[in-house]
Amino acid sequence: AQSVTQLGSHVSVSEGALVLLRCNYSSSVPPYLFWYVQYPNQGLQLLLKYTSAATLVKGINGFEAEFKKSETSFHLTKPSAHMSDAAEYFCAVSGTFYSGGGADGLTFGKGTHLIIQP
Amino acid sequence: NAGVTQTPKFQVLKTGQSMTLQCAQDMNHNSMYWYRQDPGMGLRLIYYSASEGTTDKGEVPNGYNVSRLNKREFSLRLESAAPSQTSVYFCASSEARGYNQPQHFGDGTRLSIL
Repeated sequence: AQSVTQLGSHVSVSEGALVLLRCNYSSSVPPYLFWYVQYPNQGLQLLLKYTSAATLVKGINGFEAEFKKSETSFHLTKPSAHMSDAAEYFCAVSGTFYSGGGADGLTFGKGTHLIIQP
Repeated sequence: NAGVTQTPKFQVLKTGQSMTLQCAQDMNHNSMYWYRQDPGMGLRLIYYSASEGTTDKGEVPNGYNVSRLNKREFSLRLESAAPSQTSVYFCASSEARGYNQPQHFGDGTRLSIL
């Protein structure tokens, strides 16, 4: 079974500072990993996905994430935070579970609320 | 460019009432999903439909039923609502079943059970 742990339910950074949101996964099969962003009263929007083609994945809005198998991590970073980055961020893993076959549904972490200080 | 559309956006029910949440996607996707989002819990899968004509239980299916009406539509029904079902419900779709398929989400239905 897959699981995802996001360290820190809230992360606060100053505008212009580095953003680092942590995600560790547990998977018995090679994982496919995703980061989603949720703005208030909206659904989830895909930021980026890792599907084994490259360990450093670039996404939208200047975000990127690096897959590190040895650390079972997929941390999300952005060099310079902007006020518009304030949102909830979710890491998710795709893989077999429940029925024991097929990759149906995502397993989400509990989310990290990113706060940008002016 | 609607993507995934959920109706209604908000609903208040009394305990014991029934309700159907509607979801439709216009991306010709094969797979559809229902999640619930609770504070501090992330999203949890309720039911999914890998393709038209099939449905399967997810992590938290108790108290819910689903219908894949056609390729576009996937509804979630609460037969006898309970306060524990107060949540935000999200519908999602993906092009196909598969590990690397990203899911596209609707804006959610905010449901309160009194």
